[in-house]
Formats: sequence, structure tokens, C-alpha cells
Amino acid sequence: DGGITQSPKYLFRKEGQNVTLSCEQNLNHDAMYWYRQDPGQGLRLIYYSQIVNDFQKGDIAEGYSVSREKKESFPLTVTSAQKNPTAFYLCASMDSVVSYNEQFFGPGTRLTVL
Amino acid sequence: KNQVEQSPQSLIILEGKNCTLQCNYTVSPFSNLRWYKQDTGRGPVSLTIMTFSENTKSNGRYTATLDADTKQSSLHITASQLSDSASYICVVFGGGNYGQNFVFGPGTRLSVLP
Repeated sequence: DGGITQSPKYLFRKEGQNVTLSCEQNLNHDAMYWYRQDPGQGLRLIYYSQIVNDFQKGDIAEGYSVSREKKESFPLTVTSAQKNPTAFYLCASMDSVVSYNEQFFGPGTRLTVL
Repeated sequence: KNQVEQSPQSLIILEGKNCTLQCNYTVSPFSNLRWYKQDTGRGPVSLTIMTFSENTKSNGRYTATLDADTKQSSLHITASQLSDSASYICVVFGGGNYGQNFVFGPGTRLSVLP
């Protein structure tokens, strides 16, 4: 059963805590992405990675960090430096070789700061 | 500035009725435009993709149109069903770097009532 998974589905963070959101894909895609979704706004790019051991900042990378040690995995850490982290986080992957570049999205993680 | 705007922001229709959602973009250069359906609390799923040379494309009860001259696209839903209740997101890909050149609209929230 191929796809992209995210965990946990819901996450609660206390002030000053770092938390890590998991993203795993078995689609053999090279490219992976992290987006943040807030009500009334389009998805905003946090980080993306086009190959293993390489990643680039997106439009709103401050307060976030990522790693890409394996092709299948692209975890996102929300650090205490992110002042307003409450949002819905979406991970996506894409086969950058195939034309029409469709991004496949995971089910999302809803992060709430207590 | 590259932007994607969608209208209306939200829409309520009765089951069985048709509706049309609009997407206007200022993304340049333009490579393709994709419509996604996002159920509440889930990740977006691709419905259709339009390239520069395509005017109309259908996927079951969903029909997308593209006018590249006026930079407008529409998504028409025929004979709506309760399961069509979701957010519909228009995404424009500007070509080039696969990391940063996806521009997401804010979505239209559709509610289909019995």
C-alpha cells in the first residue's frame, strides 16, 4: 500500500518545547516538502528537499528545522523559536523526474500550543 | 508578486445542484495549474491538471477550464453530492525549481447540504 504518512495526527506543545513531526513515504520520490496551512491562507512552504542529505529553506523557515538522512523520511522539528506554531502541517512528496509534477500529500498533523 | 486568488471564499449549495469555483493567478512564467480537493483534516488530493495548451479537462463530475490569456481557471462541479463538501485549492506551478515555484490559492470551502 504505497503512500505518504504523517504522525502524530494531533500534537500538543507547551511553551518552550521542541517537537518533531514525522513524515514517511514509500513512493520512491526524490523530492519532499513541508507546508504550513492556516485558516484563509494558501499553503506556505517551510522547507523542501530534492535529494537525500540536502534541503532548502522555504518562505517561512524561521523557527523550524529538518533533516533528510533517508530518501523515505523527512522529519520536521518545530523549535521554541517559532512564536506562533499552532497550525496544520502538511508533508508532500513528488517524483521530480515524471512530468506534470504532482505533489502527493500526507494526512497532516495538527499542532496546538498550550 | 506571484499570487493565486480564489472565489468565492465559501459556498453553500443543495445536493444535486451545479457550482463553479474561480481561480485567478498572476504567476509568471506559467507551467501548469492543478486543482486539489481537501477534505477537512486531511491532505489535498489532485483532481485535474491543466497545461498552457489545454482549455478544458474533465474528471468525472469535475470539469476544469483554463484561459491562459486572462490567467483564469474555473472548476465546475456537476450534480453535487454530499461527499463534495470540502475545500478546493488551485495551485499554479511556475516552472523551473521544483522546490519553490508552487503557488497555492487560499481555497474555496464548499458545503453541500441535503
